[in-house]
Amino acid sequence: EAQVTQNPRYLITVTGKKLTVTCSQNMNHEYMSWYRQDPGLGLRQIYYSMNVEVTDKGDVPEGYKVSRKEKRNFPLILESPSPNQTSLYFCASAFLRDSSPNTEAFFGQGTRLTVV
Amino acid sequence: AQSVTQPDIHITVSEGASLELRCNYSYGATPYLFWYVQSPGQGLQLLLKYFSGDTLVQGIKGFEAEFKRSQSSFNLRKPSVHWSDAAEYFCAVAPSGAGSYQLTFGKGTKLSVIP
Repeated sequence: EAQVTQNPRYLITVTGKKLTVTCSQNMNHEYMSWYRQDPGLGLRQIYYSMNVEVTDKGDVPEGYKVSRKEKRNFPLILESPSPNQTSLYFCASAFLRDSSPNTEAFFGQGTRLTVV
Repeated sequence: AQSVTQPDIHITVSEGASLELRCNYSYGATPYLFWYVQSPGQGLQLLLKYFSGDTLVQGIKGFEAEFKRSQSSFNLRKPSVHWSDAAEYFCAVAPSGAGSYQLTFGKGTKLSVIP
């Protein structure tokens, strides 16, 4: 089954304790991305990657890191989490368009992070 | 930069009534347009998408959307709402053309359905 898998689904942590949220896709997608969702703000992009070893900042990258060492994995790293990073996080992946535009982004189930 | 506006934060409709959720976008050309649905505690599911061609797009779960270039709109409609449609709905845009997939989301419209 084609899917994007995030782990963990729920996480409570303390300020300053480094954490990693994993994201893996089994569709051989080039493009992967992280979003955070906050009430009243919708989804905002944190980082994205167009392919292995190619990453770039989205709209709200401060306080986050990512890496893309393998095509299927795109972990989100919070080196020193703070309470304002409490949010619902989504990973997404997609084929990059070439001559065919008929593609869509697939989303993981989300990771609810609470930083206390 | 592209942007998306969903003017209605929360809409309540009775089961069986018709539904229209509004979406307006700002972009220099015609973008790719999407509607996603998020049920409580779930991820995002694609309802429908518009890339080109027929401006009336059919999606899953009986939803449709109409692209109106003159109004920069992509409103989502359903003729008869079911209680299971209660969810949050997000409109999104991405730049048209090859080689990129930068989704920009609206802030969402929460739909409540009265039995």
